[in-house]
Amino acid sequence: DTEVTQTPKHLVMGMTNKKSLKCEQHMGHRAMYWYKQKAKKPPELMFVYSYEKLSINESVPSRFSPECPNSSLLNLHLHALQPEDSALYLCASRPTGVNEKLFFGSGTQLSVL
Amino acid sequence: DQQVKQNSPSLSVQEGRISILNCDYTNSMFDYFLWYKKYPAEGPTFLISISSIKDKNEDGRFTVFLNKSAKHLSLHIVPSQPGDSAVYFCAASEGGATNKLIFGTGTLLAVQP
Repeated sequence: DTEVTQTPKHLVMGMTNKKSLKCEQHMGHRAMYWYKQKAKKPPELMFVYSYEKLSINESVPSRFSPECPNSSLLNLHLHALQPEDSALYLCASRPTGVNEKLFFGSGTQLSVL
Repeated sequence: DQQVKQNSPSLSVQEGRISILNCDYTNSMFDYFLWYKKYPAEGPTFLISISSIKDKNEDGRFTVFLNKSAKHLSLHIVPSQPGDSAVYFCAASEGGATNKLIFGTGTLLAVQP
């Protein structure tokens, strides 16, 4: 299994809603990432988990709350989002070690109304 | 502060010819470089990488060249095929345990039949 699976593929939510994005991998990777990509822009790093502990938070607003319940799962909890948070949210995982590539999921396209 | 830049937003090439995509970086601490291909609303797909101890890496139709003194890398695709049409991102990292990956601005490649 060489896939990173993200659900849902599409999500529409209101500004008062609470929703969660889910990411799963069974490749034994111990580093997992959340990226955000707006149209015609490069992916921007949000969070990195290493061995289930948050190691990087790129000054992301608290309305985004990551969680890594175990080595295979990564969640992104969303609350009180703004319309400008509409974007493609990408999950990735990476083997530990030097010079390893990231494996990306297909993303969740989020629209905030 | 964009540490990784791709100065050509788009490139159009005839099928069978060579495609050359360029990337410049500013951070001299970057030591690992990757190229990803991306279709809209999908996750990036890894193409090829190069470590800073090398100046060239080849994989089938794809070759990446690294010029450390110029802080420049390029991706050559020979021969180009219509299926290569996509957005290409270069990415760079300083390595280390969490391998923070920074993406370039992207180049849209269109291969004309």
